[in-house]
Amino acid sequence: GAGVSQSPSNKVTEKGKDVELRCDPISGHTALYWYRQSLGQGLEFLIYFQGNSAPDKSGLPSDRFSAERTGGSVSTLTIQRTQQEDSAVYLCASSLLGYSGVTQNEQFFGPGTRLTVL
Amino acid sequence: AQRVTQPEKLLSVFKGAPVELKCNYSYSGSPELFWYVQYSRQRLQLLLRHISRESIKGFTADLNKGETSFHLKKPFAQEEDSAMYYCALDGSSNTGKLIFGQGTTLQVKP
Repeated sequence: GAGVSQSPSNKVTEKGKDVELRCDPISGHTALYWYRQSLGQGLEFLIYFQGNSAPDKSGLPSDRFSAERTGGSVSTLTIQRTQQEDSAVYLCASSLLGYSGVTQNEQFFGPGTRLTVL
Repeated sequence: AQRVTQPEKLLSVFKGAPVELKCNYSYSGSPELFWYVQYSRQRLQLLLRHISRESIKGFTADLNKGETSFHLKKPFAQEEDSAMYYCALDGSSNTGKLIFGQGTTLQVKP
């Protein structure tokens, strides 16, 4: 079946502009995660959605970052007034978490969106 | 605080040599640990998880709670093992939220 998809694959924008990054998770996956992959910084957790629960936004670096997940499926990460330090690869992942608290669930990653802020 | 440390940015070995990619973690509870791998021009994917005690592509990793380590090992490296490897910790009470290390690039030379 289809894996996690992300669009666009590349985005070049000017400092100060807003950008929207899209993630389509694997159908039926209840959990969705956004990470940022910066050169030399590794992978940084941004935000997590699980079903209808309130999202865990603890990783968002500033209030310029926000995300939503509509209908429990597609998610959009929005960065307002982009800065050069926002340049990175933004990764989305989804997984199937059981409500019994099943752990060790594999996360399936998308190909990422490479954001370049000039 | 929850933290994952991979001390080596780059590990370069010759084909057939043993490989050990180091991972240390900081977590007060019972950790769930993973290794993820990203081959060139491919997506990040799960390599193995500690609870399964499995060997994938010849790699194994043992959780050492005393040393708070989860090193990844392979006795004989192959050129196709060249990739970026990330150690990850799930200390979030079953949310699956992962804390990643900075990654180690493994380069296997012919």
